[in-house]
Formats: sequence, C-alpha cells, structure tokens
Amino acid sequence: AQKITQTQPGMFVQEKEAVTLDCTYDTSDPSYGLFWYKQPSSGEMIFLIYQGSYDQQNATEGRYSLNFQKARKSANLVISASQLGDSAMYFCAMREGSGGYNKLIFGAGTRLAVHP
Amino acid sequence: GAGVSQSPSNKVTEKGKDVELRCDPISGHTALYWYRQSLGQGLEFLIYFQGNSAPDKSGLPSDRFSAERTGGSVSTLTIQRTQQEDSAVYLCASSRMGTTSYEQYFGPGTRLTVT
Repeated sequence: AQKITQTQPGMFVQEKEAVTLDCTYDTSDPSYGLFWYKQPSSGEMIFLIYQGSYDQQNATEGRYSLNFQKARKSANLVISASQLGDSAMYFCAMREGSGGYNKLIFGAGTRLAVHP
Repeated sequence: GAGVSQSPSNKVTEKGKDVELRCDPISGHTALYWYRQSLGQGLEFLIYFQGNSAPDKSGLPSDRFSAERTGGSVSTLTIQRTQQEDSAVYLCASSRMGTTSYEQYFGPGTRLTVT
C-alpha cells in the first residue's frame, strides 16, 4: 500500500495567490515526521518544512505552512503569495520512527506551475 | 560550508558495464542515504549508512547493486552489469543527529544513462 499519496500530478496558480498541495500518509508508528521538499528543474532537492507527529502546532517557514490533520493523516503544504520561482516539483515525504537515522518515503510529487 | 557533493554529475555507460557513483557528505554528518529517481517519479530509497555500517539495505533492487562507506565519510554506490532499467538520477543525502527534524541534505545527483 502507498505510504505517501499525492493525488495532484499537476497544479496551476496565479502569481501572488495561495495554493495548497495535498499529501496523505499511512503509518501505524506513533512517532513519525513529515517533510516537504521542492525540486526545481535544475534537479536539486530543497528542504522546505518539517512536521513531527507529536508537534502541537502546525509548522510554518516563511511563506510555507503545513496543514497537519493527524486524525485524517494529511499533511498539506500551503504556499502563500506564490512567486514565479515557486514553479517546481514538490514532494511530500515521511520518516517513520523516532531515531535519527531513518529513510524517507516519498510521494510521487506534484508539479506546480505559477502563472504571471 | 560545503554541501553534499556527488560525482560524476552525468554518466553514460553501455549495457553490461560496471559503474561507480561517489558521494561526499557534509562534514560531521554521520548518516548517509542513497536514493534513486527515475524519470518523472518520486525518490526511491536504496540504502543508508550509519557511520560505516549499513543497517538498512532493503531498497537495493538486486545483487548487482552494492555500496560502501569508508572513514565515516565518502560513499560509493556500485552497479555491476548495468541494465537499461538502471537509468535514473542517483541522489545522495546526509543528515546529523541533534536536530528535531533530522533533515536530510541532498546532493545534486548523478544522472546515469545506460545505452
């Protein structure tokens, strides 16, 4: 079964508007972490934001926020005030367990296009 | 400081040849990971190292794939008798203890093309 599901292969947004990228996950481990990475056309993976399963508040990093709904097992990324440079692939990933050396399980990604 | 580096950036090889991909992690990062990204796909975990040992090799797709890490630093991923389905971008990442997120920092990847 898919552990990380990103149901939106592609998304479009107008510059300066907000956009939500969906991510649902599946785990039976009570301790886990959720990550979002951005991959521009150049190929590098850029860390955006992290949410721990025990974190009480939703994570925020500048224009990025993570809408964490634990009961629904969803961890959607919200990008506010979209910029042309936000056009890229976005990957949701999960780390299971509380140890420091755990592999990431990635979703298939969502390609975001920001239009002027 | 320097990020994760990988070499070569591009590698074209003929089917049946062996290839070696190198990863140089961020200094002080004790964990090192290899992932593979096929065209248009998400990342697929291959193997991770804790120091020089590899507690999790579960993602290696076949016994043609092997990896080692020496001195708790540089790692080499070796693919023997390459096949066309091995064509992908191979990404290396490293992380350190002491941060809540255990964020993994990725290298630029090696694009492998098997002809």
